[in-house]
Amino acid sequence: KAGVTQTPRYLIKTRGQQVTLSCSPISGHRSVSWYQQTPGQGLQFLFEYFSETQRNKGNFPGRFSGRQFSNSRSEMNVSTLELGDSALYLCASSLGPEAETQYFGPGTRLLVL
Amino acid sequence: AQKITQTQPGMFVQEKEAVTLDCTYDTSDPSYGLFWYKQPSSGEMIFLIYQGSYDQQNATEGRYSLNFQKARKSANLVISASQLGDSAMYFCAMSPTGANSKLTFGKGITLSVRP
Repeated sequence: KAGVTQTPRYLIKTRGQQVTLSCSPISGHRSVSWYQQTPGQGLQFLFEYFSETQRNKGNFPGRFSGRQFSNSRSEMNVSTLELGDSALYLCASSLGPEAETQYFGPGTRLLVL
Repeated sequence: AQKITQTQPGMFVQEKEAVTLDCTYDTSDPSYGLFWYKQPSSGEMIFLIYQGSYDQQNATEGRYSLNFQKARKSANLVISASQLGDSAMYFCAMSPTGANSKLTFGKGITLSVRP
C-alpha cells in the first residue's frame, strides 16, 4: 500500500509569491491534516479536512488556506509569502478524525527568499 | 488549550540499553489522546504509540511503552533494548478525543544511540 505522498518535495519561492502544496493520502483514508515545522516554533497544526470539509483550523493567518477533493487528495495554499513561511510542511492522513494513527508524508521543504 | 512540555536536553543511550524520554502535558479537555512520534533526519514523522486518557493500562508497541501517570500529567516513552536506528528526534503530542487529527506537539527530544 502506497504511503502518503507530497509534492513537490522542495520548493524555492520569493517574498510576495504564492505557493500550492499537494498531498495524496493513503488509499481509503479520508482525513488529511497539515502541519508546519520550523526550528523556532516547532510543529504547529494548520488545518484538518475530512470528507472535503475543514473540521479544524490552527492559529494561522488567512494567507494559509486549504481544500480537499472528493478523492481525499488535499492542497494547501500560501499567498503573499513571507520569509517566516520557510518551513517543512507535513501532511498526515488517517481513516478519520478519531483514528488513533496518523501517517505522515515526507514533507515539502519550502524556502522563501 | 493543550500544551506539551519536553525539557530534556539531547539524550544519549548505549546500544541495547533502555531509555526514558520525558513528556508532561496540560489540558482542560476531560478526555484526550497522547502520542509519540519519531522523526529521523529524513524528516518523515513515524507514529510509535498511542494512549487514551481513559485507558487503564499503559500502552505498549513492541520495544516502545508509554508510562502514563494521569495525576502527574506525564506520558513518558520508554524504549527498551535501544538500537542504532533509534537515533532520531522524538515528539510527544496530544489531541482532544474525537479530534486525533489535530495534534499539539512538544518541542521534541534528540536521542542518540551509541554503539
